[in-house]
Parts: sequence; C-alpha cells; structure tokens
Amino acid sequence: GQQLNQSPQSMFIQEGEDVSMNCTSSSIFNTWLWYKQDPGEGPVLLIALYKAGELTSNGRLTAQFGITRKDSFLNISASIPSDVGIYFCAGRAATGGGNKLTFGTGTQLKVEL
Amino acid sequence: NAGVTQTPKFQVLKTGQSMTLQCAQDMNHNSMYWYRQDPGMGLRLIYYSASEGTTDKGEVPNGYNVSRLNKREFSLRLESAAPSQTSVYFCASSKAGGPSDTQYFGPGTRLTVL
Repeated sequence: GQQLNQSPQSMFIQEGEDVSMNCTSSSIFNTWLWYKQDPGEGPVLLIALYKAGELTSNGRLTAQFGITRKDSFLNISASIPSDVGIYFCAGRAATGGGNKLTFGTGTQLKVEL
Repeated sequence: NAGVTQTPKFQVLKTGQSMTLQCAQDMNHNSMYWYRQDPGMGLRLIYYSASEGTTDKGEVPNGYNVSRLNKREFSLRLESAAPSQTSVYFCASSKAGGPSDTQYFGPGTRLTVL
C-alpha cells in the first residue's frame, strides 16, 4: 500500500525554537491533514488543508498544502514542552482512494527545557 | 459527547485465542475505520465501513473480520491471534462525504499476542 514519506523521523529541540516538518507523496492528493498523537492516546486533528497552495494556521501551528499537491508542510513556532508527541501527516488521494486516508510514518518531537 | 470510544484499553492474548475489539461513536457519523499502528509504520487501514451495512478491506485485512453492528458500533475480530498482530489498534469515524471529510480517532487498544 501507499505510504507517505514524512521527515524528519525525530527532532530534539530546545524550548522556544521553531520546528518544521514535511510530507511528500508520489500521488496527487486533494486533502492533507496533520494530526498529533500524545503518548497512550489516539491521534488528534490539528489542521486540515483542502486546496493547493492553501496556508492555514491554528495558534502557533501553520500548515501548507504544496502547489504540486504532492506535499505538505507543518511549522510550529516558539515550541513549548507540551508540543512533545508524534506528528502525523495524512492525505486523501485525488483519485481511486474514496474516503480513505494514507498516513505518514510520523515525526517524533522532543522538547528540551 | 464522548466521541469515539474503544474497549478494552489493554489486552494480552495467547497465540490462537480469539477476541473482539469494540468501537462506538456518538457523533452520528456514517463511516467508521479500523487501523493498526506499529513502530515506524504509521497507521495502516485494516477495514472500513463507508456506511451502515457495508464493509470493505483496507491495506492489511488478513487475519481480521469486522462487523458494522449499527450506525454507532463497528467491531474488529481476531479469530486466531498471532504474534504478528501485536499492535495498537485505533478506531476512527467520519461524517463521510467529499474531500473535506475528517476522521476522529478513539484512544486505542493495546494488544499483545504471546
């Protein structure tokens, strides 16, 4: 099955730093979603993107739907300890996928005080 | 609203045993999904139900069966558990309809097969 390439796999940053991560696909997507998973919990939706070029913010989080429709980016500004967790991208294929999502392998974020 | 609930939260099975994972949602969603999560693999779709009365295979359906009991409930059954099925299982639901549809996840069931 199709997988998304998500990078980096993990990041260890200092509190207050900005964070960037991205996701790429070999297929064109018509939806990109970014989820965060805390330890022992299910993924929680952070941001949803529906149009190529779209830039959407949710507090300190900003995500972009790539122009090629094959990638997406998530930025976190001024990281804080509660940003720790695993961030997943997910995409919905433009054709043939129905309502199914394909998930990236995750970026594990660790924040040093 | 509880959202998506899953039971049990943890389970240990011996190889060959069977069990059913339960999932329920109270958001009046049409579609429901079962995923498994393994280290370094992200979430992989096992089965989904686009609407009450329908079920379809996902990416990794082998060794599993599902039942969409009603609009609220979607269960996942392991008939003869194997160590390769040790994983964290997540249920999700969505309203369904169009590219703006969003999936909401339950807290997960952590299954160990010895």
